[in-house]
Amino acid sequence: DAGITQSPRHKVTETGTPVTLRCHQTENHRYMYWYRQDPGHGLRLIHYSYGVKDTDKGEVSDGYSVSRSKTEDFLLTLESATSSQTSVYFCAISAIRERNEQYFGPGTRLTVT
Amino acid sequence: SQQGEEDPQALSIQEGENATMNCSYKTSINNLQWYRQNSGRGLVHLILIRSNEREKHSGRLRVTLDTSKKSSSLLITASRAADTASYFCATDMNTGFQKLVFGTGTRLLVSP
Repeated sequence: DAGITQSPRHKVTETGTPVTLRCHQTENHRYMYWYRQDPGHGLRLIHYSYGVKDTDKGEVSDGYSVSRSKTEDFLLTLESATSSQTSVYFCAISAIRERNEQYFGPGTRLTVT
Repeated sequence: SQQGEEDPQALSIQEGENATMNCSYKTSINNLQWYRQNSGRGLVHLILIRSNEREKHSGRLRVTLDTSKKSSSLLITASRAADTASYFCATDMNTGFQKLVFGTGTRLLVSP
């Protein structure tokens, strides 16, 4: 998985609790992304980062926040988890603006009960 | 809303047959990419075709792009059971932001 790890890999949490997912890369790539994958929707972009402390919203950012204090780490936080945020979350990285090939982590399966 | 829509949603073939998947998109693009996802895994980049290219090959993969019809196709020749996976197209709309928009995918099943 191209030097990308995600933690935890599986998590079950209760509605209303905060949750933080971590993405760690060893590739020193500039761009990092968080997606969620749900049946019938494919992958949808939550937030992305184009450098340390530089982040922006994606298509489905409501209820999520991110932080990137180091090149290698990109954190996704659900401030107050809801059942609609039950999903599989993928982190991805890319290096080159002109090509934008993305490399994905193994995913985190999150269940909100 | 989805930029890319794959067709068919599911495809079942025998080993040795060719598999063709199609992707349609709505707005102009910088490039279009295809990814594969095995069950329970992350996506893997397969091939990228730029907007000024019409066809590209990589091993058993052939990708075509028709910008006038806003469509692309992925052909896998001589399919193997190991090709069983979901395949996604993704478009880079060259909005100035470094991001892709993914379609909903085609599930390919290759039977021995």
